[in-house]
Amino acid sequence: AQSVAQPEDQVNVAEGNPLTVKCTYSVSGNPYLFWYVQYPNRGLQFLLKYITGDNLVKGSYGFEAEFNKSQTSFHLKKPSALVSDSALYFCAVRDQGNTPLVFGKGTRLSVIA
Amino acid sequence: DAGITQSPRHKVTETGTPVTLRCHQTENHRYMYWYRQDPGHGLRLIHYSYGVKDTDKGEVSDGYSVSRSKTEDFLLTLESATSSQTSVYFCAISESQRGGNEQFFGPGTRLTVL
Repeated sequence: AQSVAQPEDQVNVAEGNPLTVKCTYSVSGNPYLFWYVQYPNRGLQFLLKYITGDNLVKGSYGFEAEFNKSQTSFHLKKPSALVSDSALYFCAVRDQGNTPLVFGKGTRLSVIA
Repeated sequence: DAGITQSPRHKVTETGTPVTLRCHQTENHRYMYWYRQDPGHGLRLIHYSYGVKDTDKGEVSDGYSVSRSKTEDFLLTLESATSSQTSVYFCAISESQRGGNEQFFGPGTRLTVL
């Protein structure tokens, strides 16, 4: 069975500093990995995904994520955080079957001015 | 929100009453999903559909039923609402459930069961 863990409920970072939101996964076979963002009172918005190839994936709003197969991780990163990045972030995974995405519990990011 | 609407957006109801939430898409995607979002639990899949009249259960399907009579509409019904079903409900759609196909989400319905 596939699963994903987001070990931090909350991440606080100062504006202008780099940010990392952590995600680890468990699947049989090769994973397909996704990051979504949710702003207050909105639905989830797709940020980026890893399918295959380059381990560093670039997405919307300056975000990127690094796939690490040996550590089974897919951490979300941004070089310089903005206050407007404050939101709830979800990692999701799918294995090579025909299945819905499985989501983590989410990490709330607060960027402090 | 990618051509997905949910109605109602907010609803307050009483324990024991039936409730139906509607998801409507204009993208002609094959797959449709219902999730609930609760603090500390993230997003949990309730039911999903892979075509007209084709549905399957998710992780937390007890107390919920679904129907899909048209490609564009996916209904979620709480036959007899309970306070534990107070939540925010999200509909999602996707073209495929394979590989790197992402799911797109609607704006959500906030349901309160008193």
